Amino acid sequence: GQNIDQPTEMTATEGAIVQINCTYQTSGFNGLFWYQQHAGEAPTFLSYNVLDGLEEKGRFSSFLSRSKGYSYLLLKELQMKDSASYLCAAHQAGQNFVFGPGTRLSVLP
Amino acid sequence: DAMVIQNPRYQVTQFGKPVTLSCSQTLNHNVMYWYQQKSSQAPKLLFHYYDKDFNNEADTPDNFQSRRPNTSFCFLDIRSPGLGDAAMYLCATSREGTNEKLFFGSGTQLSVL
Repeated sequence: GQNIDQPTEMTATEGAIVQINCTYQTSGFNGLFWYQQHAGEAPTFLSYNVLDGLEEKGRFSSFLSRSKGYSYLLLKELQMKDSASYLCAAHQAGQNFVFGPGTRLSVLP
Repeated sequence: DAMVIQNPRYQVTQFGKPVTLSCSQTLNHNVMYWYQQKSSQAPKLLFHYYDKDFNNEADTPDNFQSRRPNTSFCFLDIRSPGLGDAAMYLCATSREGTNEKLFFGSGTQLSVL
């Protein structure tokens, strides 16, 4: 079966660091994507991991452990505009993307 | 700019009245997807096209149909919308390959009265 879990909601303070975790169980796993989605808008791509380890992209980093079925998204120097939902998605063989339920992040002043 | 375009942004239909949502892309991607997303939930894949090869998810209701007349265009037809079909419908594209990301359109928010 397919299962992707993320915390439903998180709150953090402007300027802080926050880590959003994602665990997954999917068949034919090809990689793990992170998307940001503001309310009422389409998801936008943040990062991608296919090999174990950390990928860094400015204020955003993503980590993957394939053996543990685990990923996290790390957001540094939080800004108010980072308040959004963060979706992790597993890419499966056959071009399917399976999304997690999303983590709604609120950044407080 | 190359992009994925969905029209209209908001669509209102009546219970049982057929409705068609449109998606076009200028990216020349060979894979196109339709996702349904209800409030505070994950996008749920309805179907995808790999070129003209149609792939239906097992739990996609028969009420939902799709057409892809050419590379650039894809349509979602809801034959008899019910109240439970009110949602955001997201069209996305990607290239074929293992590390190719999804490019999303802005979505169509469907209301069923």
